Amino acid sequence: GIQVEQSPPDLILQEGANSTLRCNFSDSVNNLQWFHQNPWGQLINLFYIPSGTKQNGRLSATTVATERYSLLYISSSQTTDSGVYFCAVDQGRGAQKLVFGQGTRLTINP
Amino acid sequence: NAGVTQTPKFQVLKTGQSMTLQCAQDMNHEYMSWYRQDPGMGLRLIHYSVGAGITDQGEVPNGYNVSRSTTEDFPLRLLSAAPSQTSVYFCASSYISVGEAFFGQGTRLTVV
Repeated sequence: GIQVEQSPPDLILQEGANSTLRCNFSDSVNNLQWFHQNPWGQLINLFYIPSGTKQNGRLSATTVATERYSLLYISSSQTTDSGVYFCAVDQGRGAQKLVFGQGTRLTINP
Repeated sequence: NAGVTQTPKFQVLKTGQSMTLQCAQDMNHEYMSWYRQDPGMGLRLIHYSVGAGITDQGEVPNGYNVSRSTTEDFPLRLLSAAPSQTSVYFCASSYISVGEAFFGQGTRLTVV
């Protein structure tokens, strides 16, 4: 099956710093989403981005489907950005079966 | 709209007990699925459904049953709980197979 690798596994930054999280996948996909899992365990939708670039405030994402990777950018980090960021992909073969990466744990220190 | 609602939020079971985790969505989504998340890991697919009356197995289906009698509800049944089923369970729904997935708040299950 398709493999999803996220890097780095852990990232510790000071408030105000910028960061780039990467998601590599091993096969073509029709669906790619970025999620933020907050310290309470909730999964929050950040981006639905099978291709192209999107921006939402301090966050932006780019997926280059032909090269099988996606990047999540966080600018001017805040302590509330802390948590685990997951990339999930689906090959869209008639059913939604998301495959998740192992996540990047982001810690923003004040 | 409530979105995807899971109940209960927390549950402790004894080994061998059975229970049903409830999942309901009010977005008229055809696609629903169940995932489990173990410590330090991403989510893994247990079962999924492409519409009422249609279900299939995901990556880790053993020990779980599902049914989909209505578009809105997709319960997950643990037949005989085992400590290995201690996990956080998430339900998700989507309008189309390649559409954005929306997740419930999760059910934290401990089997002792």
